[in-house]
Amino acid sequence: GEDVEQSLFLSVREGDSSVINCTYTDSSSTYLYWYKQEPGAGLQLLTYIFSNMDMKQDQRLTVLLNKKDKHLSLRIADTQTGDSAIYFCAESVNTGGFKTIFGAGTRLFVKA
Amino acid sequence: DSGVTQTPKHLITATGQRVTLRCSPRSGDLSVYWYQQSLDQGLQFLIQYYNGEERAKGNILERFSAQQFPDLHSELNLSSLELGDSALYFCASSVGDGGGALGANVLTFGAGSRLTVL
Repeated sequence: GEDVEQSLFLSVREGDSSVINCTYTDSSSTYLYWYKQEPGAGLQLLTYIFSNMDMKQDQRLTVLLNKKDKHLSLRIADTQTGDSAIYFCAESVNTGGFKTIFGAGTRLFVKA
Repeated sequence: DSGVTQTPKHLITATGQRVTLRCSPRSGDLSVYWYQQSLDQGLQFLIQYYNGEERAKGNILERFSAQQFPDLHSELNLSSLELGDSALYFCASSVGDGGGALGANVLTFGAGSRLTVL
């Protein structure tokens, strides 16, 4: 099946770390993605991870992948007010054509 | 500016009407994807075209249709509109067909077309 699940809201204080979690169902996904949507804008790719990797770090972002549990997380270190946005987890699935399936998005609130 | 252009930005229409949303992909991208974003349904994949051909289909209603033209721009047609069709419609583009042959399939999104059906 194709399903990506995320919690809907997360609130953190400025300077703290944020951890956004995601579970997916298609074990054949080759790549998993994190996108960010700021108010009034389209989604922008933040980072992605290849399925044979456990971890990927990119500046303040750390992606962890547990393929056995089909669990993906995004950690944002030293969260800033500018990080307030909706974060989407996504996977590419092959069901007679490749589709990128997105979770519902986690709305991150950063309190000053 | 992401390079993906969507028009119109906003559209208000009545139930039963028909509208056309237009998308120009980023230069060099061959795939176009359409997504619907609503508060209760999240981001739903509708359909993908690659170099003029339909490549993947999602939860697209029969009242909706799309096509990709030889110049690679795409149109999403929504007919017999209902109140529940009110949503943000996003177009995205990518270089490849999404099959992974080119590595990660990164989508570049437009700013969206907001449709309000009254």
